[in-house]
Amino acid sequence: AQSVTQPDIHITVSEGASLELRCNYSYGATPYLFWYVQSPGQGLQLLLKYFSGDTLVQGIKGFEAEFKRSQSSFNLRKPSVHWSDAAEYFCAVGPTGYALNFGKGTSLLVTP
Amino acid sequence: GAGVSQTPSNKVTEKGKYVELRCDPISGHTALYWYRQSLGQGPEFLIYFQGTGAADDSGLPNDRFFAVRPEGSVSTLKIQRTERGDSAVYLCASSATEPYNEQFFGPGTRLTVL
Repeated sequence: AQSVTQPDIHITVSEGASLELRCNYSYGATPYLFWYVQSPGQGLQLLLKYFSGDTLVQGIKGFEAEFKRSQSSFNLRKPSVHWSDAAEYFCAVGPTGYALNFGKGTSLLVTP
Repeated sequence: GAGVSQTPSNKVTEKGKYVELRCDPISGHTALYWYRQSLGQGPEFLIYFQGTGAADDSGLPNDRFFAVRPEGSVSTLKIQRTERGDSAVYLCASSATEPYNEQFFGPGTRLTVL
């Protein structure tokens, strides 16, 4: 069965520290891969996406993600976290870019 | 320009009642999507439209749920005989035609079934 797993429900990092959020998927072929962010009172916003080509993709707000086929992973990273990055992060995958299958999300808390 | 809008922002209804949730997509976007997000979960795909037709409705949980997009723009999600388990935030998104184009999400409608 197709699935998306975000193993970490909550993550706490200090402001200025690096961040990595994990995402693993189970699909028959390389799917379309996305990371979205949801802030309180805000709609979901796309951070970055991967379909093919260079496995390291750059997104908005200083985020990047690396697709690793051998590990079926698409982890999100940021070298230095800002307090404004505190939010819920969702990994999403799909056989196309249409009907997306979202993970349960990782809640990021940033401490001073 | 204007983003995706959804009305109402909140809807409280009683078990067994009928509800309609409306989505106004970004102008010119041909693809429109409905998702449902329960507390503590990620969005769950329900249905998506290309133009007026439902291209994929595999996510609709049962025949109490139905969605239309008669003129290829505004869409309405209809839920008959609501149940308490239908309580969730219903999200609408739209995108341009290509599958790899970004889905722009609306703020959602919070549905509470008492």
